Parts: sequence; C-alpha cells; structure tokens
Amino acid sequence: AQKVTQAQTEISVVEKEDVTLDCVYETRDTTYYLFWYKQPPSGELVFLIRRNSFDEQNEISGRYSWNFQKSTSSFNFTITASQVVDSAVYFCALIGAGGSYIPTFGRGTSLIVHP
Amino acid sequence: KAGVTQTPRYLIKTRGQQVTLSCSPISGHRSVSWYQQTPGQGLQFLFEYFSETQRNKGNFPGRFSGRQFSNSRSEMNVSTLELGDSALYLCASSLDVSPYEQYFGPGTRLTVT
Repeated sequence: AQKVTQAQTEISVVEKEDVTLDCVYETRDTTYYLFWYKQPPSGELVFLIRRNSFDEQNEISGRYSWNFQKSTSSFNFTITASQVVDSAVYFCALIGAGGSYIPTFGRGTSLIVHP
Repeated sequence: KAGVTQTPRYLIKTRGQQVTLSCSPISGHRSVSWYQQTPGQGLQFLFEYFSETQRNKGNFPGRFSGRQFSNSRSEMNVSTLELGDSALYLCASSLDVSPYEQYFGPGTRLTVT
C-alpha cells in the first residue's frame, strides 16, 4: 500500500521568511513518481513539480526548491523569501508504477504568509 | 490555451437523487481523471479515462461511475446520493495516462441534503 504523510497541518510565517513543507512517503514500488501541487483559495490545484524515483537531483525553480532523498523517503519543498501570494494548501502526491498507477495524496499543508 | 472547465460549479441535490458532472479537458489532452475532496478524507482518486476507456479506478462504490467521449470530454455520475457524497469534485486532464502531470479544473461543489 502507498502512503503519503504531510505531518504539518498548518504553517504560519511572515513574508520574506523561508519555509519548508515536509513530505514523507511509503511505497513498495521501485519505480514511482512524486508530485507537488498548490491549491490556492480559489480551489484549483496547480501542478508544481514531478520527479521520478531514479532522479534524486534537487531542483530549483525561482523561489521554489525541492529536496528528494530516497534514503529517508522524503520529498520536501522549500519556498525562499515567502510572499503573501504563496498562501495556499500544498499537496504532495505519489504514484507507484508497480501496477495500478493510482495517485495517493497527502492531507496537505496549509501555508499562511502574513504581510 | 483554455484550462480545464467543469460544469456546473455548484450543485445542491437531495439524498437518493442522482447527479452528473461534466469536465472538458485542455485541448489536446487525452486523459481525464476525477477526484473527490472532503475535509475528512482529503483528496481521493475516483477514476481515470483515456481514449474512452477507464484505465484506473479508486476505491469507491459502484454508485460512482464515469465515461469519456471521443472528444475527450468526460462525465461522472453518482447515483443514489448519500449525505457523505457532499464534496468538491475535481477533474484533471493530462496529455497522456498516469503518471503524467495533471492540470486541474476549478471543481464542482456538490451538497447533498
């Protein structure tokens, strides 16, 4: 069975602070895919990144960066110099390639950035 | 390029009724997936369609069904509605089947009374 744990239910920061959202996953598949999505108050999930299990290189996109560590089964997301527009719920998701390809989402982390 | 559209955006139904939700994917996308989002259960995968065929199905009762048309538009149907079916139903499209990245619509907020 697959599982994605986002232990942080809610994080509150002040603008310009750096913040890291944790994601820990469980899967028996050797090939799998990890995703991050952002859900702003409007409700529409926005795709942020996809990584496969064979690519452990960290990635940076502007103020966003992702740290993938297979040794700890984690795929953490850092926002540098947070802005009010970053306020949203962030979801980590896992798709295992061992058979069903059914996505499993974490419960999400609500990020509130205060001005 | 237009995004994923879902209709209706809001819906109120009574227990026992049935409902049909519609989703139009991004032009060129051939895969459509449906999700249910509730405060209690979070985001849960319902099913995925590609080329009019159901490719994957989540752990939901048979009251939940879907279909995809030749133009990739999709509908999902819930029969014999229960109070617990109240949720935000999200549709997502992608170029190809899972595990491609998905692009979500704004959702249909279903309230069952």
